Amino acid sequence: GENVEQHPSTLSVQEGDSAVIKCTYSDSASNYFPWYKQELGKRPQLIIDIRSNVGEKKDQRIAVTLNKTAKHFSLHITETQPEDSAVYFCAASPQGTSYGKLTFGQGTILTVHP
Amino acid sequence: SAVISQKPSRDICQRGTSLTIQCQVDSQVTMMFWYRQQPGQSLTLIATANQGSEATYESGFVIDKFPISRPNLTFSTLTVSNLSPEDSSIYLCSVGGESSKANYGYTFGSGTRLTVV
Repeated sequence: GENVEQHPSTLSVQEGDSAVIKCTYSDSASNYFPWYKQELGKRPQLIIDIRSNVGEKKDQRIAVTLNKTAKHFSLHITETQPEDSAVYFCAASPQGTSYGKLTFGQGTILTVHP
Repeated sequence: SAVISQKPSRDICQRGTSLTIQCQVDSQVTMMFWYRQQPGQSLTLIATANQGSEATYESGFVIDKFPISRPNLTFSTLTVSNLSPEDSSIYLCSVGGESSKANYGYTFGSGTRLTVV
């Protein structure tokens, strides 16, 4: 089955700096890669996703890049703010004519210091 | 995206008892999933709830311990049976593949925090 590895497990940055979180996956059938933000005591919230026919996707301060050949994808947050502090999870799923299950990475605790 | 109502939001249960968690979606969805999130950990898939047939369980999870029902395309339940303190966790339902929209996202319920004493 799919295995998703996520690094780093913790990341501490100063406000205004950039943050990068990286994930690798094992199953070449995976073609959908979402990122979730989970604040303490709350449900995971989808912040951005990318499909395998796209190499990069950007939404304001957040971007995701995908390298299907190397089986890795990354989350980039620019101009970080204290409210970006949370746990971030990457995930991978095979999606064809039906929705495949999501396999999650281990999570990254991001702390943005004012 | 779909709106999910999950309940209860939390419960404290005695060991040896069972807890049933409900997940109601405001639209018909193709796929429903149940996840467990142990304290400080990532999300682990328990099973895929299949409408009209038995759920598909992941390695390490069995039907006797985690029976699942899915009577229609908008509702599912997860029961955690014969509770032990190791079952203390957050349980989340998730949906994906809305039949009425071209939406490839997965949405989560608000979670059920279970404490077993």
